[in-house]
Amino acid sequence: GAVVSQHPSRVICKSGTSVKIECRSLDFQATTMFWYRQFPKKSLMLMATSNEGSKATYEQGVEKDKFLINHASLTLSTLTVTSAHPEDSSFYICSASTTSGSSYEQFFGPGTRLTVL
Amino acid sequence: LAKTTQPISMDSYEGQEVNITCSHNNIATNDYITWYQQFPSQGPRFIIQGYKTKVTNEVASLFIPADRKSSTLSLPRVSLSDTAVYYCLVGDMAGENKFYFGSGTKLNVKP
Repeated sequence: GAVVSQHPSRVICKSGTSVKIECRSLDFQATTMFWYRQFPKKSLMLMATSNEGSKATYEQGVEKDKFLINHASLTLSTLTVTSAHPEDSSFYICSASTTSGSSYEQFFGPGTRLTVL
Repeated sequence: LAKTTQPISMDSYEGQEVNITCSHNNIATNDYITWYQQFPSQGPRFIIQGYKTKVTNEVASLFIPADRKSSTLSLPRVSLSDTAVYYCLVGDMAGENKFYFGSGTKLNVKP
């Protein structure tokens, strides 16, 4: 299957700093990428939909100025957590979508563990 | 809001067949049903996808009744390594196909 990577896999930062997470589709082009966050023992929560060449669409309750998303190419989307605080500590997961014939799949990245001190 | 409802957890023993049922009463005509598996601190992994009737691949089968208001993921002869959370998702192939995750089902496979 298609491969999605994330970088970094783990990051620790001080409160008030900004952190950028990259999501790449390695062997396919993804016009749409999605960003999720997941707290311990909880389900994934969709944060935003990232479309190549256009502004991201944020889910209700997600601050667009807090979580900046850029989808500059068909293989790369970035999520920047600005002025991070301890409550932003979470597991951030991206996915990339592709269609092939009659099927549709979202391929998920391995996730990025963010810890804000 | 999640479009699906699943049991929170299930227990099984090695070698048994496990069936996890998911309810999606408001499924739309364009929605596909997709199941994912997630291990702790990893991204979800695609298991199987279907629209209606039965789909089978090398790891699982997916049964979808005619009204499509539910689906059942069947895992044959589970092993300890199948202990994970399993998510049932519905998405509109004609649209952006956003996934709103429900609680998922935590499958515990015992020796």
